[in-house]
Amino acid sequence: AQTVTQSQPEMSVQEAETVTLSCTYDTSENNYYLFWYKQPPSRQMILVIRQEAYKQQNATENRFSVNFQKAAKSFSLKISDSQLGDTAMYFCASLGRGAQKLVFGQGTRLTINP
Amino acid sequence: DTGVSQNPRHKITKRGQNVTFRCDPISEHNRLYWYRQTLGQGPEFLTYFQNEAQLEKSRLLSDRFSAERPKGSFSTLEIQRTEQGDSAMYLCASSLDGGAYGYTFGSGTRLTVV
Repeated sequence: AQTVTQSQPEMSVQEAETVTLSCTYDTSENNYYLFWYKQPPSRQMILVIRQEAYKQQNATENRFSVNFQKAAKSFSLKISDSQLGDTAMYFCASLGRGAQKLVFGQGTRLTINP
Repeated sequence: DTGVSQNPRHKITKRGQNVTFRCDPISEHNRLYWYRQTLGQGPEFLTYFQNEAQLEKSRLLSDRFSAERPKGSFSTLEIQRTEQGDSAMYLCASSLDGGAYGYTFGSGTRLTVV
């Protein structure tokens, strides 16, 4: 079974600061994918970034980057130069090729203050 | 294509009534997923379809819940004899094949059972 754990229920930073959200996971599969999703208040969930487990290079998407530590089963999200529009719930999720479905963590509520 | 569409956006029903939700996925996507999300929590998997075949159901999906995807296009999720514990956001998502590039989510249907 896959499990995903996000240990930070809430975080708050000032605009333009850098913030890192933590995520750990557990899986018995060798081939899997990891994702960060953003869910703004009352809006739909959107994909922020994805990582293929067999790739050692950390994924980046503009201001968003990950620190993927496969041996430690850790997958943190770094948001640089944070903006007010980054305020949202952030969910870490894993997808195993065998499991066939996304498994989500409990989420981190991120607030960017002006 | 306008993404994944869910109707209705909100549903208030009395305990014991039946409700049905609809999801229209992205037309090219052969997989469709239903998740349930309670306030402040991550989405929990309910069931998924590949084309018209329902391939997996979670133990969360009691016999009061049924989902269909006739002709492999839109899907419906029906809850019979609703209970207050069914109050939640019901999310639909779709993906191409196994979802290695992520799922596309709809805006959800918020169910309130009074």
